[in-house]
Amino acid sequence: GESVGLHLPTLSVQEGDNSIINCAYSNSASDYFIWYKQESGKGPQFIIDIRSNMDKRQGQRVTVLLNKTVKHLSLQIAATQPGDSAVYFCAENSNRDDKIIFGKGTRLHILP
Amino acid sequence: KAGVTQTPRYLIKTRGQQVTLSCSPISGHRSVSWYQQTPGQGLQFLFEYFSETQRNKGNFPGRFSGRQFSNSRSEMNVSTLELGDSALYLCASSLAGYTQETQYFGPGTRLLVL
Repeated sequence: GESVGLHLPTLSVQEGDNSIINCAYSNSASDYFIWYKQESGKGPQFIIDIRSNMDKRQGQRVTVLLNKTVKHLSLQIAATQPGDSAVYFCAENSNRDDKIIFGKGTRLHILP
Repeated sequence: KAGVTQTPRYLIKTRGQQVTLSCSPISGHRSVSWYQQTPGQGLQFLFEYFSETQRNKGNFPGRFSGRQFSNSRSEMNVSTLELGDSALYLCASSLAGYTQETQYFGPGTRLLVL
């Protein structure tokens, strides 16, 4: 499959452990944030989103935390599985802007 | 419901040639956005089409163009290809194209310019 990013930061996690992927966003006016997962050979897949009026949102095995004070977003994956191996992107948008800005991504590597 | 499809999946061209990529959105989706993905720059927005009209455009030269048909299918064209155009080109569809609406991505077209 395609190599999404040859020089992406990589997070290696033992199977079964929790993963925490971090993202610093750039625009203090951003009020909508999204996490995407991109597996080799596929396009990005929506995981979870959060609006700026929330600090935390939970999905199935995933939790997104938003800290607006330091412009930081994190994605927590519980009980990491081999199928979670992928590149994870955060993205931000402001209501004043028509475009979504994507981060460079973090590669999650699962250790057996 | 079928997902977003893109054709072709892989393409090799030489400098100076032109290329046309195709995207079929999810049925019922009227907005199609195009992105370029490279290792160095990540995902960058090219343009977005809704109801056959380009609504938004990123910071790419005029060699990059697109169009949308009445059935919401979209094509993008790159003329006078350069080596730096080698990338994964992704399209994404959504119902109405609001930026705070979930976008669904296709698998991409991998373009290699020699």
